[in-house]
Amino acid sequence: GQNIDQPTEMTATEGAIVQINCTYQTSGFNGLFWYQQHAGEAPTFLSYNVLDGLEEKGRFSSFLSRSKGYSYLLLKELQMKDSASYLCARGSGAGSYQLTFGKGTKLSVIP
Amino acid sequence: GAVVSQHPSWVICKSGTSVKIECRSLDFQATTMFWYRQFPKQSLMLMATSNEGSKATYEQGVEKDKFLINHASLTLSTLTVTSAHPEDSSFYICSAQGTSGRANYFGPGTRLTVT
Repeated sequence: GQNIDQPTEMTATEGAIVQINCTYQTSGFNGLFWYQQHAGEAPTFLSYNVLDGLEEKGRFSSFLSRSKGYSYLLLKELQMKDSASYLCARGSGAGSYQLTFGKGTKLSVIP
Repeated sequence: GAVVSQHPSWVICKSGTSVKIECRSLDFQATTMFWYRQFPKQSLMLMATSNEGSKATYEQGVEKDKFLINHASLTLSTLTVTSAHPEDSSFYICSAQGTSGRANYFGPGTRLTVT
């Protein structure tokens, strides 16, 4: 299987840092994606990791450890607009990135 | 960035009728498009993978005769929900993958309500 596990909900304070973890099964792995999804809207792409290490992009960073089947999304300087669901997705397949999504982590940013 | 559109954005139809949803890549050619379904408070579930000019590959449990997919060009894929029932009410989202890109770009989604 390709079970992808991430916490269901998290709450953090405006201006703080939050880390959203994701674990996945490693067989056939072909990249780890993070998406942001606001209620009633389609997901928007945040990051992609295929090699171990940290990828930084502004306030958002994503980390991958392939041997551990583990990734996290780090959000810094939280803003109220960051309240959304964050979806971890595992890519598989050769050539085409067929994504399997986790159930998403609903992040609530409070004042 | 890459833009994917879907039409319609929402549709209400009566039970037993068919509904067609279009997914277009506006500024790139998409060799592969994916169709997802998302029920409230659930994650996206892949329904099928569509490659231009060939038959779609359906995920286990998805009826290919009920959910007809056509990917006739590099910029357009359509999903037709045939003989819709209330349990088909859901948020349908397509994503498109470019010929060289690694990211899947999502359309804005289509909310289908079957009464």
